[in-house]
Amino acid sequence: ETGVTQTPRHLVMGMTNKKSLKCEQHLGHNAMYWYKQSAKKPLELMFVYNFKEQTENNSVPSRFSPECPNSSHLFLHLHTLQPEDSALYLCASSQDRSGGEKLFFGSGTQLSVL
Amino acid sequence: KNEVEQSPQNLTAQEGEFITINCSYSVGISALHWLQQHPGGGIVSLFMLSSGKKKHGRLIATINIQEKHSSLHITASHPRDSAVYICAVRGSGGSNYKLTFGKGTLLTVNP
Repeated sequence: ETGVTQTPRHLVMGMTNKKSLKCEQHLGHNAMYWYKQSAKKPLELMFVYNFKEQTENNSVPSRFSPECPNSSHLFLHLHTLQPEDSALYLCASSQDRSGGEKLFFGSGTQLSVL
Repeated sequence: KNEVEQSPQNLTAQEGEFITINCSYSVGISALHWLQQHPGGGIVSLFMLSSGKKKHGRLIATINIQEKHSSLHITASHPRDSAVYICAVRGSGGSNYKLTFGKGTLLTVNP
């Protein structure tokens, strides 16, 4: 148990659906991240939030929309996804985004887009 | 070509064997992470190091900054060590909180 909880663990959705992924941490961390892990590829950083402010959007398509209502919660809203968006989506947190400390990851949401 | 290269991609060992996983990188870094990912997806941070060597239980991580190379060693391997081991580096300039990840090494330890 890393202290970062993601729901749901698995999600199957059609290309016209709208769904949301949720991430929650009660570690007192101020930075939260969304990563995408596709088969046979390295993890890719999608978004970074620091003190609830988005500080990084790594050229992610607009069909992925993040939301960070407070330092403990992070959402990823999904709409009109494509089959190639099927992947494991991982949330992580750290004390801040300075780069000097460990990341704590959630267990991920395995997303399948039909 | 990925900036972080891991070898081997797959490794099968017998219980009790000494295991080494290698990571080479091509950029200047401020820190290197070793992560463990079990089936089911969850990732656990094993080590973060910027020089020298760190040890935790049966795991040892070393880094050579001059050679841009790090190794993860597992002594007396056990089937529960079976997982994907991922190397990630944090750059030394610019947006240095970003991590660049390797593709991972799939380790299978047979009883």
